[in-house]
Amino acid sequence: DTAVSQTPKYLVTQMGNDKSIKCEQNLGHDTMYWYKQDSKKFLKIMFSYNNKELIINETVPNRFSPKSPDKAHLNLHINSLELGDSAVYFCASSQPWGGPSYEQYFGPGTRLTVT
Amino acid sequence: AQSVTQPDIHITVSEGASLELRCNYSYGATPYLFWYVQSPGQGLQLLLKYFSGDTLVQGIKGFEAEFKRSQSSFNLRKPSVHWSDAAEYFCAVGPVGSGNTGKLIFGQGTTLQVKP
Repeated sequence: DTAVSQTPKYLVTQMGNDKSIKCEQNLGHDTMYWYKQDSKKFLKIMFSYNNKELIINETVPNRFSPKSPDKAHLNLHINSLELGDSAVYFCASSQPWGGPSYEQYFGPGTRLTVT
Repeated sequence: AQSVTQPDIHITVSEGASLELRCNYSYGATPYLFWYVQSPGQGLQLLLKYFSGDTLVQGIKGFEAEFKRSQSSFNLRKPSVHWSDAAEYFCAVGPVGSGNTGKLIFGQGTTLQVKP
């Protein structure tokens, strides 16, 4: 059973296009995240949702819009793609913060290449 | 500001040798600390975490880490490295910011190469 899944695994597209990445978790978690990993493997949080409500919104261009239809899904839509958007995007999920059982579970990543 | 530093970008060890990956953090209160591993083309998997209590933490795959408050460090160790341990290792600290949102800050990662 896949805990956190993402589709697609690879995405190659041209500048200016609009694309979406989907994420689903079957762990029953309330909180989901989107991270961006750049070419130097630096990992930075972009967004977090708790029970479909946005709770973290880092300094991310407005072209990036997360959408959470229910607490098991958090999709990432990117408008007007730019070369600098090329990266690996990771989805993660967890229970709300607190306690020694806290852990973020990561999906396998989506490698986005913008040409 | 909170931050995590992994001083070693790349480490190479021989199979069977011991390993220590360094992690230093800057945090205003008692941190929650994590080590994650990323195998090539894979997502991140939690190796171990420290919340409180015993400063020596045991994790999966034979890894352990020691929290040293005086040194602001949380170094990862393994007594005998296997070729399958070759991967990227990330140290993380949290929660960061207000409201206990679960926001983590990650270090820049250490690439571990294992020589046969």
